[in-house]
Amino acid sequence: QKEVEQNSGPLSVPEGAIASLNCTYSDRGSQSFFWYRQYSGKSPELIMSIYSNGDKEDGRFTAQLNKASQYVSLLIRDSQPSDSATYLCAVQDNNNDMRFGAGTRLTVKP
Amino acid sequence: DAGVIQSPRHEVTEMGQEVTLRCKPISGHNSLFWYRQTMMRGLELLIYFNNNVPIDDSGMPEDRFSAKMPNASFSTLKIQPSEPRDSAVYFCASSLHRDGTFGSGTRLTVV
Repeated sequence: QKEVEQNSGPLSVPEGAIASLNCTYSDRGSQSFFWYRQYSGKSPELIMSIYSNGDKEDGRFTAQLNKASQYVSLLIRDSQPSDSATYLCAVQDNNNDMRFGAGTRLTVKP
Repeated sequence: DAGVIQSPRHEVTEMGQEVTLRCKPISGHNSLFWYRQTMMRGLELLIYFNNNVPIDDSGMPEDRFSAKMPNASFSTLKIQPSEPRDSAVYFCASSLHRDGTFGSGTRLTVV
């Protein structure tokens, strides 16, 4: 069984702080890794993708991947109240099979 | 592109009735995924198709659920007979090789 694990939270940070979200996965054959953001009542939307070990930065978002340890993380710098949402980690194998973690609910307090 | 289109947006049905959910993927995408989302279980992969062929249906809960993809631009997820525990939001997503784009979902309520 391919598992993707996330801390369900809720994670609460003050506005302007760094929010750190973590994800581990069980399938060593996983090739592609994604972070989706889901606002309440809406569908998930892709915010970051990462395919190789190391860091990938996009604006206030940084994704980190460590395949040896089978974890992927998302850092949100200068957190804003508009970042309050559920963040879903997704892992895809080389057959295109894409599975999600249960999500971490983030609240950014003004 | 209009994105992934799902219909209906909301469905309320009585226990025992047949329910059919529909999805039109983004043109040119070669993979299509059906997910079910509940508070208790999160986002669960039900089935995924690659080039219209079902590749992994291990997430389909039981024989009451079936999915088809007769062509590259259309897929259905059918529940027959429906039960109250099937109440959830059902998402369809499509992708070209990598990340998926989600539709708006169908909120199903079985009473």
